[in-house]
Parts: sequence; C-alpha cells; structure tokens
Amino acid sequence: AQTVTQSQPEMSVQEAETVTLSCTYDTSESDYYLFWYKQPPSRQMILVIRQEAYKQQNATENRFSVNFQKAAKSFSLKISDSQLGDAAMYFCAKQGNLIFGKGTKLSVKP
Amino acid sequence: EADIYQTPRYLVIGTGKKITLECSQTMGHDKMYWYQQDPGMELHLIHYSYGVNSTEKGDLSSESTVSRIRTEHFPLTLESARPSHTSQYLCASSESVGGIRQFFGPGTRLTVL
Repeated sequence: AQTVTQSQPEMSVQEAETVTLSCTYDTSESDYYLFWYKQPPSRQMILVIRQEAYKQQNATENRFSVNFQKAAKSFSLKISDSQLGDAAMYFCAKQGNLIFGKGTKLSVKP
Repeated sequence: EADIYQTPRYLVIGTGKKITLECSQTMGHDKMYWYQQDPGMELHLIHYSYGVNSTEKGDLSSESTVSRIRTEHFPLTLESARPSHTSQYLCASSESVGGIRQFFGPGTRLTVL
C-alpha cells in the first residue's frame, strides 16, 4: 500500500525566518507527482507546489521550494521569509487518487 | 471566474435525517472527488468520478452515496445521518484522469446530533 508520512504534527517559525516541513512516502511507481497543499483555518485548500518525479530539478514557487530526494522517497517543503499568512495546515500528497499525509500545523510568530 | 462550490458550508442536523451535500464546479473538469476530514486530521477519499455516470468508492468506506448526472455537479447523499458522520466533507475536481492537480471546494462541516 502506498503511504505518505509527515512526522511533524506541529511546527513553529518566526516571521521572516525559514522553515522546512518533512514528508516521506512509499511507492513502487517510477513516475508520479507529489504535492504540497495548504489549508488555512476555515479556508479553502490550495496547491502550494508540485513536483514531477522524473524531473531531477527541485520545484520552486516564489518563497516555496522543495527538496525532492527520489531514492530516499523524501519530499520536504521549505518556506523562506515566512509570513503571518503562511500559518496553516500543510499536507503532503502523492498523485493517484491523492494520498495525503496527516498534515503539519505551521504557526508563524510575529 | 472558474471555481468549485460547496453548499451548505455548515450543517447541523438530527440523527436519522436525509442530507445532500452539494458540489459544483465551473471548470469543466471530468474528474471529481469527495474527501472526509476530521478536525486536524488527514483527508480520506470516500468517492470519486471519472465523468458523467461514473462513480467509484474511495479508500475509506463510507455509508454515503454519490451521483454524477452532469459534468459540473457531484452531490453526496446520506440517507440516514448518524453522529458518526460528523466530519468535514471536501469536494475537489481535476482536469485529467491522472489527477495532476486537484482544486478544492471550501468544504461542508457536518454535525449530526
């Protein structure tokens, strides 16, 4: 069975600092997509960033970047210059009919 | 503006009632999904659809049913609500069978008393 594991239930970061959220997964597939989704409190879930497994280059979207280690099946999210609006639940997910991790609640301290 | 909508946003209802959670998208996506999410927990897929007249059960067993008569509409029905059905229900859609990117609705928070 495919699984996605987020080992950090909660994380905290100071405003303007950098934080890294961890994610590992298990799959026998060679080509797939990985995603990070953000779910702000009482608001819609939105896609933060995605990575295609066959691409070696790590995806980047403005302040968000990933460290994708295919052999290690690791897919961490780095948020640079953290902002108060970054506070949310972050879910790592693998393509298929999306398989989600349990999420990491990120708090941003002013 | 293309989007995905869910109604109602909040629903408090008594045990035994029949309820239908509505989900509509204006993006013309073929694939649609329903997820169940308990507070602070991960999402579990309960239903999905590849297109009109297609419905499949997801990874998490659910007593709910779905229908897909129109591309844009994917309602979820509970014939007899129970307290164990209390949860948040998220609808999503994607533009390909591969589900490269899913767009999520705002969710319906259901409480069954």
